[in-house]
Amino acid sequence: DAGVIQSPRHEVTEMGQEVTLRCKPISGHNSLFWYRQTMMRGLELLIYFNNNVPIDDSGMPEDRFSAKMPNASFSTLKIQPSEPRDSAVYFCASSFGETGVETQYFGPGTRLLVL
Amino acid sequence: DAKTTQPTSMDCAEGRAANLPCNHSTISGNEYVYWYRQIHSQGPQYIIHGLKNNETNEMASLIITEDRKSSTLILPHATLRDTAVYYCIVRVAGAGSYQLTFGKGTKLSVIP
Repeated sequence: DAGVIQSPRHEVTEMGQEVTLRCKPISGHNSLFWYRQTMMRGLELLIYFNNNVPIDDSGMPEDRFSAKMPNASFSTLKIQPSEPRDSAVYFCASSFGETGVETQYFGPGTRLLVL
Repeated sequence: DAKTTQPTSMDCAEGRAANLPCNHSTISGNEYVYWYRQIHSQGPQYIIHGLKNNETNEMASLIITEDRKSSTLILPHATLRDTAVYYCIVRVAGAGSYQLTFGKGTKLSVIP
């Protein structure tokens, strides 16, 4: 079974550039989560979608961050413009259910470095 | 969600059972115990979860004490690939509790 797929796996960009991270959830899963992990802050939930609809985006740091889920098999997280403090590992996770408390399965992550 | 306490690090000989403890003395009746692990440079990996009964799957066993104030994750035959940080998480079963809150976890080193 293919797990959660994320691309790119590594991204190096310069401050001010637009960055787009991509995620393909596990087939059949209807909940999708974007997390960010740093040494200082650990794992933080950015946004949670259920049935392609954003349910909770309170973790999105600021207006520079946006996320979309145009269909059940694809989601993007965009940062525009990027800043050095956005450097982190970004994980996408998916689960099946309606409440969001079901078991979450994580992708391999995208390592973002903003210079 | 209830707070959890885990040892910072543990060593285990390859082929032996690894027993990872977790204290969750303030756990509520509707809170589940979840275990995840994170191998270096990989995403968190679900291992097992339980409410009050002991659970076993192909990866591990979860032993929850009768008062539910602590639990132990058991990897029956640890291999070098089990070297990772192991996180014990307590989650309430209800809408709005979808965020996984990872503490510092236990760094398990499996030694040849």
